[in-house]
Formats: sequence, structure tokens, C-alpha cells
Amino acid sequence: QKEVEQNSGPLSVPEGAIASLNCTYSDRVSQSFFWYRQYSGKSPELIMSIYSNGDKEDGRFTAQLNKASQYVSLLIRDSQPSDSATYLCAVNTGAGGFKTIFGAGTRLFVKA
Amino acid sequence: NAGVTQTPKFQVLKTGQSMTLQCAQDMNHNSMYWYRQDPGMGLRLIYYSASEGTTDKGEVPNGYNVSRLNKREFSLRLESAAPSQTSVYFCASSDQQETQYFGPGTRLLVL
Repeated sequence: QKEVEQNSGPLSVPEGAIASLNCTYSDRVSQSFFWYRQYSGKSPELIMSIYSNGDKEDGRFTAQLNKASQYVSLLIRDSQPSDSATYLCAVNTGAGGFKTIFGAGTRLFVKA
Repeated sequence: NAGVTQTPKFQVLKTGQSMTLQCAQDMNHNSMYWYRQDPGMGLRLIYYSASEGTTDKGEVPNGYNVSRLNKREFSLRLESAAPSQTSVYFCASSDQQETQYFGPGTRLLVL
């Protein structure tokens, strides 16, 4: 069983719509959660981190965490073609970055 | 600041050849990592170094060795390359909040 699961997609949304990306994880003691964006042929870069239950907003991005359901999501409002990328969910299961488990990623395509 | 740098960007090897991938960071991070990324598999940790002078195996260490040369540099060595090691390799370092900063990657093809 994969420890961090994401729908591989592709998820296709029209420009201006809300894109919703979901991630579930198996380790209940997970403490910190990250969303990375990876453009084709490039390296991952951090978009959001979230550590406690609820919502965290940063510009057009909102991360949502529900530890009871072991679920973390990323909402992208007013999606732009430049948001087209693979989004990686990462879960840290303990102290130390070596405890970070990455999901396989969801490909997002925003249609102009 | 350059962040995390990696060399080379691309490499083609024949089965059995050896090579070293170089990585350096200028963010004064203690922890550094080597990952490989294969289609549909996500990022898998090969080796990591929690601090200067220490290294430990990750999820997929077989066929690789590492050296933490100093706080800035962390190299990955393939002693005898195999086609199964064809992949994209990323080096990363992390801050105290465990955010990881990635290098541009090395695309390796083993024939």
C-alpha cells in the first residue's frame, strides 16, 4: 500500500476555474504536509506547507488539512494556463526531512 | 544565491561504467538528499545526510554510494551502472521547517 496517494490525472480544468487536487496518506502520526509544483523537465518547487488542521491560504492557493480523515488538498482559484504542471503531495512522518514521503503527483492541465 | 546546483545536467553511460553526480548548496542547510524520479513512481529517496559527516540509506540505496564532502557538497556515485538506473536524479537540501529545495536534476541514460 502506497503511503501517500494521489490521483495521477490528468486533471483538466478551463481557465478561470477552481482546480482541486487531493492527497491521502496512511501514517496517522504524520506531522507536516507540503505541496510542490513541478513543471515538465524541471525540479519540484514548494507552493504551500501546512501543519495544523484547517485551511491555509496564500494568494490563489489554499491548502486544506484534515488529520482525522488523513486527507490534504490543494485548491487553485482562477486557474491559469501557467498553472499546468504536476503537483506533488509530500508528507513528513517524523522529525527530519528524510521522513518525507512524496506522492507520485497529479498532472494538471488548464485550458485557455 | 545559487541555491542547489547539480552537475552534470545530462549523461549517457554504458552498462558497467561508473560516474559521480555532484551537488552543492549555498543555503547553509544541514540536511541533504539524493532522489531518483521515474515515471509513475514519484520521488524515491536513495541516500540522505542529516548533517555533515553522516550519511544513511533511503528507500532505494542499492547500486549507489554517497559522500558528504563538507556542509555544502553531497555527491552520489554509481560504481557499475545498470540500465535500471536510467532515471532523473535530484539533489535536495532542507531547512529547519523541512521544506526541501531541489537542484535542477541530472538526466541519466544507461545503455
